[in-house]
Amino acid sequence: GNSVTQMEGPVTLSEEAFLTINCTYTATGYPSLFWYVQYPGEGLQLLLKATKADDKGSNKGFEATYRKETTSFHLEKGSVQVSDSAVYFCALSTPGGKLIFGQGTELSVKP
Amino acid sequence: GAVVSQHPSWVICKSGTSVKIECRSLDFQATTMFWYRQFPKQSLMLMATSNEGSKATYEQGVEKDKFLINHASLTLSTLTVTSAHPEDSSFYICSARDTQNNEQFFGPGTRLTVL
Repeated sequence: GNSVTQMEGPVTLSEEAFLTINCTYTATGYPSLFWYVQYPGEGLQLLLKATKADDKGSNKGFEATYRKETTSFHLEKGSVQVSDSAVYFCALSTPGGKLIFGQGTELSVKP
Repeated sequence: GAVVSQHPSWVICKSGTSVKIECRSLDFQATTMFWYRQFPKQSLMLMATSNEGSKATYEQGVEKDKFLINHASLTLSTLTVTSAHPEDSSFYICSARDTQNNEQFFGPGTRLTVL
């Protein structure tokens, strides 16, 4: 079946540090892959997406590359800010349009 | 950008009562909407897929008689938690899929507390 696995949090970084949040998936076929961000007390916002192998999604300094060979979609940012503190969810979409989410990774960035 | 609203944003009710949560797509049409449940510090669990003009499709383990879903128009879906119990307390999030581009947009969520 379809599933998404993320690295466990919480992840605590200092401002301007490099961020990596690992995400791997299991799926039949070639799903689209997504990263969503949830700020405290808010709903989910789409951060970036990739729809096919080797695609790179990017937004607000965050990047993730769709790696079919390793079934991964790791999220990276070169220099995090305090305002990036949030919970990050990796997700894939099934052919029917359902989203399957990973368990979420909480990021805390300290000044 | 596309906006999805939920109402109410939070609700407290007594055990045994029913609570209705609305999900609206404000500036686009959504043939399909999804309802999720999120427990504290956990991921989103898909409860059901709501299709305009037809019955909702429920995920395995979700009681359709307890969580009633109605998708009466292209911009509105409702989730009614019937005979609520404390274990139904949770954060309920909806998403709406834009009919034109298939992109999903999420509502801000509704926090339900059952006493």
